[in-house]
Amino acid sequence: EAQVTQNPRYLITVTGKKLTVTCSQNMNHEYMSWYRQDPGLGLRQIYYSMNVEVTDKGDVPEGYKVSRKEKRNFPLILESPSPNQTSLYFCASRTLGYGYTFGSGTRLTVV
Amino acid sequence: AQSVTQLDSQVPVFEEAPVELRCNYSSSVSVYLFWYVQYPNQGLQLLLKYLSGSTLVKGINGFEAEFNKSQTSFHLRKPSVHISDTAEYFCAVSGPSNFGNEKLTFGTGTRLTIIP
Repeated sequence: EAQVTQNPRYLITVTGKKLTVTCSQNMNHEYMSWYRQDPGLGLRQIYYSMNVEVTDKGDVPEGYKVSRKEKRNFPLILESPSPNQTSLYFCASRTLGYGYTFGSGTRLTVV
Repeated sequence: AQSVTQLDSQVPVFEEAPVELRCNYSSSVSVYLFWYVQYPNQGLQLLLKYLSGSTLVKGINGFEAEFNKSQTSFHLRKPSVHISDTAEYFCAVSGPSNFGNEKLTFGTGTRLTIIP
């Protein structure tokens, strides 16, 4: 089944403790992206990747890092999480024809 | 830069009544338009998309939308809603851009509540 898999689904952590949210797709898509969803703000792009080793900032990149060492994986790294990064995170991948596929989301709480 | 405005944050509708969720966009270039649905505690599912061609687009679950270039709108409609349509709906725009980041720009969402 074609899908984008994120892990974990839920995560509670403390301020300053580094964490990684994983994202993997099995569709051989070149383009991948991370979004965060906040009430009243919709979804905003954090980072994106056009292909392996090619990444760039989206609209709200502060406090986040990404890497793209393999085509299928695009982890989101929070080096020093803060409470304002409490949010619902989505990974997405895209193929030609604008077929975006989203993961099921990761709900992160930073206390 | 592209932007999307969803004019209603919440829409209550009686079961079997028609519904229209409004979406307006702004863009300096040609656009591709999407509607996504998010059911409680789930990810985003594509309802329909407009890339080119006929301005009336039909999607899943009986939804349709009409692209109106002169009014820069892409309103979502369903003639008769069901309890199972209770969800949050997001309008999004994408299109050609510099550097290839053809990202989705989302509206703030409309929460559709179906009243039995």
